[in-house]
Amino acid sequence: SQQGEEDPQALSIQEGENATMNCSYKTSINNLQWYRQNSGRGLVHLILIRSNEREKHSGRLRVTLDTSKKSSSLLITASRAADTASYFCAHRGSNYKLTFGKGTLLTVNP
Amino acid sequence: DTEVTQTPKHLVMGMTNKKSLKCEQHMGHRAMYWYKQKAKKPPELMFVYSYEKLSINESVPSRFSPECPNSSLLNLHLHALQPEDSALYLCASRRNSGSTDTQYFGPGTRLTVL
Repeated sequence: SQQGEEDPQALSIQEGENATMNCSYKTSINNLQWYRQNSGRGLVHLILIRSNEREKHSGRLRVTLDTSKKSSSLLITASRAADTASYFCAHRGSNYKLTFGKGTLLTVNP
Repeated sequence: DTEVTQTPKHLVMGMTNKKSLKCEQHMGHRAMYWYKQKAKKPPELMFVYSYEKLSINESVPSRFSPECPNSSLLNLHLHALQPEDSALYLCASRRNSGSTDTQYFGPGTRLTVL
């Protein structure tokens, strides 16, 4: 199956800085989701943006979606050491199957 | 209760062993998933159950055998695995109605095949 691409693959920032991760995909989508995974653990759903939405906020998270460019971005503001994790975008195809991007490993240094 | 539980957390098995992974959720979700995740890679879908029936098999080798005994439980039976099957196995569930697509993941079982 096709997988989206995230960039950067790895991002290292200082606590308090903002972190921006990007995701591209190849097929038409119903929605795009972002998940976080702490090292070696399960994934936690962060936010979902529908194909007819352009921007969505949840706490320190801001997600944008550009369906014409088939891309999305996740912004984490005022990052904390606890935000250190891998972040994956995922889009839904048929049969509610989620296809995950390759992920961005975010390291927030205290 | 918004938790998906998985047992065991860690499993080491030989290539001739038979073992099972278990997943449980009590959220009333009617779709359940098995994913395989190798280190530094995204999860890869293996199986999907919808209303206790297998709806998607992503061409997974027969040495992996899923089972859904009831709407709360999902098993993955393992037999004659290969070392390359070593990975994190994740279970997830989703409410199979309405507009939500959110999948709830368990913490995973770290499998090592010797």
